[in-house]
This record gives sequence, C-alpha cells and structure tokens, in this order.
Amino acid sequence: GNSVTQMEGPVTLSEEAFLTINCTYTATGYPSLFWYVQYPGEGLQLLLKATKADDKGSNKGFEATYRKETTSFHLEKGSVQVSDSAVYFCALSDSGNTGKLIFGQGTTLQVKP
Amino acid sequence: NAGVTQTPKFRVLKTGQSMTLLCAQDMNHEYMYWYRQDPGMGLRLIHYSVGEGTTAKGEVPDGYNVSRLKKQNFLLGLESAAPSQTSVYFCASSYPKSGQLHNTEAFFGQGTRLTVV
Repeated sequence: GNSVTQMEGPVTLSEEAFLTINCTYTATGYPSLFWYVQYPGEGLQLLLKATKADDKGSNKGFEATYRKETTSFHLEKGSVQVSDSAVYFCALSDSGNTGKLIFGQGTTLQVKP
Repeated sequence: NAGVTQTPKFRVLKTGQSMTLLCAQDMNHEYMYWYRQDPGMGLRLIHYSVGEGTTAKGEVPDGYNVSRLKKQNFLLGLESAAPSQTSVYFCASSYPKSGQLHNTEAFFGQGTRLTVV
C-alpha cells in the first residue's frame, strides 16, 4: 500500500541555518503531496502542496518539489527562524477519491537563537 | 472563524470507561475524518465520513465507533477504553471541488489528548 517515510528527528538548527527535511513516498497512481506543520499545542495546518510531478509548492519561505523519478518531496528553507520550531509532517493523498491522507512519522524541528 | 472545534481538549479515563469525542466544523465541509497521533507513527486514520449519514473505516478502526448524524458534526466513541487508546486525537474536514479531492486541503482541529489509565 501507499506509505510515506520521513527523516527521523529531532532536528536542531541555529537561526538562519539551511533546513532540509527528507520525505520519500511509495504510491500507486499519481497522488498529491503535502507538507503540514504543527506548532506547539495546535492542530496541523497546511504548509504547502504539489499535485503533479515537477510541481514546486512554496509558502512562508519553505519549498518542496514533487520528484516522481526519486519518489521524493523534500522540504527546504534557506534561513530558518526560531518561530519555525514545530513538527513537520509529509503526507500524500490516498487513492479512492475520499480525501484520506497518509502521513509520515513527523519531524520535530527546533531552532535556537 | 471557528473552523474545526474539538471537545474536550483533555480527558483521563479509566480502563473500561466509555466516552465520546465531538468534532464540529462550520465550513460546510462534506468530508470529515478522525486521526490519532502517536509518537513516531505520525497520524493514522481511524474512521471517516464522506457525507451526512455515512461513515467508513480507516486504517485503525478497532475499538472505535463513529456517527455523522448532522453534516457539521462527527462523533468518535470509545465503548470500553483501553490503555492502547492513549493518544492525541485529531478531527479534520475538507471540501472537495468536483474532481479535485486528491489535492484538497484538510483543516484540522486542535486535538484531544486522551489518557487511559
């Protein structure tokens, strides 16, 4: 079945450092790919998405490119801030037209001043 | 802008007790979902609903029941709580545009932290 694998955390960076969080997936068909972010004490919110191969999603300085050849959707940001500290989830849309999402394990990012 | 609201936010249950988690959304969304979040496992789908009066099983449905009597509400029930159901529960909803459900954003509530002792 479909699945998502993320790099294990936690990831600890200094402010203004470059961020990469790896995400790979296994899927049949052509799923859409998402990054959700969970700030402390809150629910998940959509950070960015890509719906087809070679699409790049971007938001708040974060980017991710849908790479079908490597089945990857790595999250990047050029200069992180303390306010980016959160848990990041990679997800794909499951087949069957139900809107179900399959999530990776989540990666905790801590940014230190 | 309430969005998706979950009640309660925290709860401690004894093994064998029952409870119902309530999810309410005010966005007129057709689709609603219940996920559980456990350390190192991400979110896993428990049950979902594609419209009022409909429900379906997700990845981890055992020990849970759901009902969607009104479009805006999705209830998750635990008939006999077990320690393995200690988790954080998230409700989500989405509104698919015709033919675009696969890329539709899901909106999440703030979660319910449940501890079963």
